[in-house]
Amino acid sequence: QVHLQESGPGLVKPSETLSLNCTVSDFSITNGHYWAWIRQPPGKGLEWIGCIHHGVSPYYTPSFGGRVTISMDTSKNQFSLKLSSVTAADTAIYYCAKLPMLRGPRAWFDPWGPGALIIVSS
Amino acid sequence: DIQMTQSPSYLSASVGDRVTITCRASQSIGSHLNWYQQKSRKAPKLLIYAASSLQSGVPSSFSGSGSGTDFTLTISSLQPEDLATYYCQQSYSTPLTFGGGTRVEI
Repeated sequence: QVHLQESGPGLVKPSETLSLNCTVSDFSITNGHYWAWIRQPPGKGLEWIGCIHHGVSPYYTPSFGGRVTISMDTSKNQFSLKLSSVTAADTAIYYCAKLPMLRGPRAWFDPWGPGALIIVSS
Repeated sequence: DIQMTQSPSYLSASVGDRVTITCRASQSIGSHLNWYQQKSRKAPKLLIYAASSLQSGVPSSFSGSGSGTDFTLTISSLQPEDLATYYCQQSYSTPLTFGGGTRVEI
């Protein structure tokens, strides 16, 4: 069964770049699925950031204004999120998730990683 | 962007009650609607996909219905372990968007 695990620094300074990795176990990330990042500010709702598929340009939520980059490292079976010029508003739990086969980027998320809390503070 | 509106935002019910949560889309999304359950300090878990398909392993007490702009998630008999926040999500178009959540207390 596929397992996802987020990893990151925990604390990022304002104006710097947030970097997170999602390591996927027991499943190849090149196996035809889309992989997504979603975030949840403390006590608030869920926000889709974007998703990626091996060999296809990523999809991003326009509201991030070009600050987001999602990429894959197939040698490590990981995909990554970079969010530049962070502010306190980017403090959130960041989740990675898998989308189902043959549905493209417009689908549901299952399963999810446990999440990584990222705090933006000086 | 498609806006998703859930109601109520909070509900309190008793064990054994039938509970219904509503999700409304700002435009027609066909059956491209999914439901998640999020327990305290945990990642969301998929319950229902494509409006009415029960995800494997999810109790049959959960069901989903609707199409177009109006959708419902029903818990036929509320159990203590159903204490959670429930979110809808549209998968009709990008950016994928979520409802604001419904917190269910027992």
